[in-house]
Amino acid sequence: GQQVMQIPQYQHVQEGEDFTTYCNSSTTLSNIQWYKQRPGGHPVFLIQLVKSGEVKKQKRLTFQFGEAKKNSSLHITATQTTDVGTYFCAGGSSNTGKLIFGQGTTLQVKP
Amino acid sequence: KAGVTQTPRYLIKTRGQQVTLSCSPISGHRSVSWYQQTPGQGLQFLFEYFSETQRNKGNFPGRFSGRQFSNSRSEMNVSTLELGDSALYLCASSFRTGRSMSYEQYFGPGTRLTVT
Repeated sequence: GQQVMQIPQYQHVQEGEDFTTYCNSSTTLSNIQWYKQRPGGHPVFLIQLVKSGEVKKQKRLTFQFGEAKKNSSLHITATQTTDVGTYFCAGGSSNTGKLIFGQGTTLQVKP
Repeated sequence: KAGVTQTPRYLIKTRGQQVTLSCSPISGHRSVSWYQQTPGQGLQFLFEYFSETQRNKGNFPGRFSGRQFSNSRSEMNVSTLELGDSALYLCASSFRTGRSMSYEQYFGPGTRLTVT
């Protein structure tokens, strides 16, 4: 079945360093969504990418969708302690009608 | 606009018992999905309901079931609880109607289920 793999599982960075998490699907996706879950909280929608090769930015966050629509990345420039949490990608399949979540990358930022 | 609400927030049950969790979606949302979240397993899709019909199902045993009411509220039931069912159960609603997945999901705070 459709699988969405996300790496790394954990990342510890010093405040001010950059951070990147990668998402890879076994099948072509119709879209990809990114969510952030703060410790003790619930996932909150960040952004959606739909087009092949699409790049979107939100302040220090840059999201990319691969040309083949099978991979995506989230890059955070100059991390801050407020960036702490788990980042999930979720790939949508128009064939199955399912949104499959990756296992998430937990980011820890040392002040 | 009120967010997604889930009740109860915390629950402790014994092996073999059954449990029912409730989810009230955002007003106007007709799609409700359920997820199981455990450390190391991420968010596992349980099922999705739309207009009182189960539209999609994940790879969980038949002990996990759900339903949706005419007001879009949804319930999830787990029978014959096992220790491995201990998890955070999240409900999410969206504006999704057709097969398009291009709708963001709004998650509730979750129900923390502990099975002893």
